[in-house]
Amino acid sequence: GAGVSQTPSNKVTEKGKYVELRCDPISGHTALYWYRQSLGQGPEFLIYFQGTGAADDSGLPNDRFFAVRPEGSVSTLKIQRTERGDSAVYLCASSWGLAGGHLDEQFFGPGTRLTVL
Amino acid sequence: KQEVTQIPAALSVPEGENLVLNCSFTDSAIYNLQWFRQDPGKGLTSLLLIQSSQREQTSGRLNASLDKSSGRSTLYIAASQPGDSATYLCAVRGGSEKLVFGKGMKLTVNP
Repeated sequence: GAGVSQTPSNKVTEKGKYVELRCDPISGHTALYWYRQSLGQGPEFLIYFQGTGAADDSGLPNDRFFAVRPEGSVSTLKIQRTERGDSAVYLCASSWGLAGGHLDEQFFGPGTRLTVL
Repeated sequence: KQEVTQIPAALSVPEGENLVLNCSFTDSAIYNLQWFRQDPGKGLTSLLLIQSSQREQTSGRLNASLDKSSGRSTLYIAASQPGDSATYLCAVRGGSEKLVFGKGMKLTVNP
């Protein structure tokens, strides 16, 4: 595709529910990243995939958060037992990954705004 | 732990001014630095990427400089326009693949 796409654009859920957020990276990009942005803050790293594997998941806040990328393209961020504090904009980015080296530029999607009531 | 700071948090200027946006980071061992623009309710648009070995990059009215040893980058916007109004974020990439972001600077250019 022309750019990174994310669905849904908005998600409202109730405390305790399960949600899935989807990211479609730029075609051919092997690296995929998830970030979370709270109001008035810069994005904070959650997890990074190189191909199908999670190369760095050090930013996931706890075990309620999980992400997959089974075929090395589309990724899904899954949040179990949502809490009000999970409300934020979840941003996905993709890049050429290891092939890009120091020139590796991350391109971001429009984000999913998650609201937990 | 890498920390990125952008000061001031907000700036309001009249149209036509040349602007300098500042970004500082605590760990000079970076691979690259990216400047982004974010419009309200939108994702991030990449403006410029500077490699660790570079001093500056230019794109149109934008020029970004990098002084790695002092942990500073500046984004220069020439002849500002109302359409430049947005939040500008800088982010650094260190030894890992992740970007570490500042909180951003909200720019308002008044006609």
